[in-house]
Amino acid sequence: SQQGEEDPQALSIQEGENATMNCSYKTSINNLQWYRQNSGRGLVHLILIRSNEREKHSGRLRVTLDTSKKSSSLLITASRAADTASYFCATDGGNYGQNFVFGPGTRLSVLP
Amino acid sequence: SAVISQKPSRDICQRGTSLTIQCQVDSQVTMMFWYRQQPGQSLTLIATANQGSEATYESGFVIDKFPISRPNLTFSTLTVSNMSPEDSSIYLCSADGGASGIYEQYFGPGTRLTVT
Repeated sequence: SQQGEEDPQALSIQEGENATMNCSYKTSINNLQWYRQNSGRGLVHLILIRSNEREKHSGRLRVTLDTSKKSSSLLITASRAADTASYFCATDGGNYGQNFVFGPGTRLSVLP
Repeated sequence: SAVISQKPSRDICQRGTSLTIQCQVDSQVTMMFWYRQQPGQSLTLIATANQGSEATYESGFVIDKFPISRPNLTFSTLTVSNMSPEDSSIYLCSADGGASGIYEQYFGPGTRLTVT
């Protein structure tokens, strides 16, 4: 299975702190994506990182990718209460346009 | 990016009945996907819907239970047939990036289904 797996499963931090979530996968990929899901709602696309990229930034988000270790991390800096959500990584199957496989997700709680 | 809407947003249905969920995209897209997300769980792909061909189902999902239509490049439906309480989930549709590329998937807000 190429399923991504996030850790930790749950993370609770204080507002202003940084949150780091990790994702591991099993097979080769073309790209890896991170999504956020607020409780009971649809997924919001956060960032895509291609297999030939090592790091990508978007606002307070920083994503790294280590294809040798088949792992990625999502860092949220200066967290806010509004960042409270579940975060999922999704990997393609190495073929462009193929369906994505989602990991189990990390539930992040940012306490005010 | 594509904007995706789903109808209904939620429903409570009796076992044995069927529900059809609609997914509308604001632009033409090549591939559309249907996912199921059970409470507290991650997303599981049900099937891939391409216009002009039959949907491709993942292991554990069959057409008789989850018939899918894809009549054009902006619309798809998923029917949950002969429902049982185990079908209670959030059902999400997604679409590829369309003209912006097929590498990003955009999701609808989901349909929360409760079967009693």
